[in-house]
Amino acid sequence: KAGVTQTPRYLIKTRGQQVTLSCSPISGHRSVSWYQQTPGQGLQFLFEYFSETQRNKGNFPGRFSGRQFSNSRSEMNVSTLELGDSALYLCASSPEGTGAEQYFGPGTRLTVT
Amino acid sequence: KQEVTQIPAALSVPEGENLVLNCSFTDSAIYNLQWFRQDPGKGLTSLLLIQSSQREQTSGRLNASLDKSSGRSTLYIAASQPGDSATYLCAVIPPWGYNQGGKLIFGQGTELSVKP
Repeated sequence: KAGVTQTPRYLIKTRGQQVTLSCSPISGHRSVSWYQQTPGQGLQFLFEYFSETQRNKGNFPGRFSGRQFSNSRSEMNVSTLELGDSALYLCASSPEGTGAEQYFGPGTRLTVT
Repeated sequence: KQEVTQIPAALSVPEGENLVLNCSFTDSAIYNLQWFRQDPGKGLTSLLLIQSSQREQTSGRLNASLDKSSGRSTLYIAASQPGDSATYLCAVIPPWGYNQGGKLIFGQGTELSVKP
């Protein structure tokens, strides 16, 4: 089975722009979660989608949003980028998301200048 | 509020040594605990998942234990190799996450260096 894939792998954006990141889960997995990783804050949970519905949300501003499609692929969007949004964005998929083992993709490295 | 701590932050050992990485959490009411490995600039690789009802899990040279009552988990690596060099992260899922989606709460990680 193919693993979790994320596109693009690297991205450079300017402050004030918006960005969309994509995640394709492992085939058959219906839950997709997003995490932000920075040197200062470590790994922080953004949100989780299951069957096209946001089921859980972390403590991030409304500039961070996401969605999930019927094929379980997910996108996250960050509007009005700030320098502090520079981070590695990781998505994880799992069969159910309810305590099941989570499998991570390689991440998207976002740099905001 | 659940908090996860990993000590030490960094560890350097000679090849062949057995070692233990520590993870502690403040709220013993967890649903499960998962150990990951992360190579520099890469994503996370799942190593072991321990359900709250389990005491330990083993995979090859790795053994993870869980003691919910004391809020601790350890990852034991036997006969370490230079290829084991990476950052090791533990993460817990709080019980309320069971019906509300998988939300992993991570420790800051232990950066392991195994010297040849």
